[in-house]
Amino acid sequence: LAKTTQPISMDSYEGQEVNITCSHNNIATNDYITWYQQFPSQGPRFIIQGYKTKVTNEVASLFIPADRKSSTLSLPRVSLSDTAVYYCLVGDMWSNYQLIWGAGTKLIIKP
Amino acid sequence: DAGVTQSPTHLIKTRGQQVTLRCSPKSGHDTVSWYQQALGQGPQFIFQYYEEEERQRGNFPDRFSGHQFPNYSSELNVNALLLGDSALYLCASSLGSGRANNEQFFGPGTRLTVL
Repeated sequence: LAKTTQPISMDSYEGQEVNITCSHNNIATNDYITWYQQFPSQGPRFIIQGYKTKVTNEVASLFIPADRKSSTLSLPRVSLSDTAVYYCLVGDMWSNYQLIWGAGTKLIIKP
Repeated sequence: DAGVTQSPTHLIKTRGQQVTLRCSPKSGHDTVSWYQQALGQGPQFIFQYYEEEERQRGNFPDRFSGHQFPNYSSELNVNALLLGDSALYLCASSLGSGRANNEQFFGPGTRLTVL
């Protein structure tokens, strides 16, 4: 099972673009990359998922280089409400229970 | 759509006791997974239920057991509670075990404190 490495914490300011990079050197051919967001005392919430190149939705963008050994979650123009823990997960699209959750990246947005 | 609901919100037990946590999945979902999340850590997979059967299990002892009902709701039971069982227990629902859509919808969790 692929394991991920991401920064423990990051700080930024309102209105800035925030990029959180995740390393997954042992990613397998069938693995997808998924990001979740979690606020205190709440369950995680799906943000975005991708396999290669770039994926964009109304919340974020996900950049995946050709070798797929890393990925970058990009949050445009963050606000205070984006303060949360962000988890990068790598796993087989067919078996979500095989996802290994690390400690995530605690993102703090300052005014 | 109420999303995933869990009960109770908080629970305090003493060592050696037993506890039952409940989860109702998002409307239309048939698969329920349970996770344990210790403070400051990511969720750890306990097990997954689909078609009223435990389909997959993480690295948790037999003290952790579960059940899924015909309406897809689920229970998590923990026997002989230990202090280390204190955590946030999360329920997540999804559609179809093994289907090519691993987006899970999480409930707010049950905060269990073992004294």
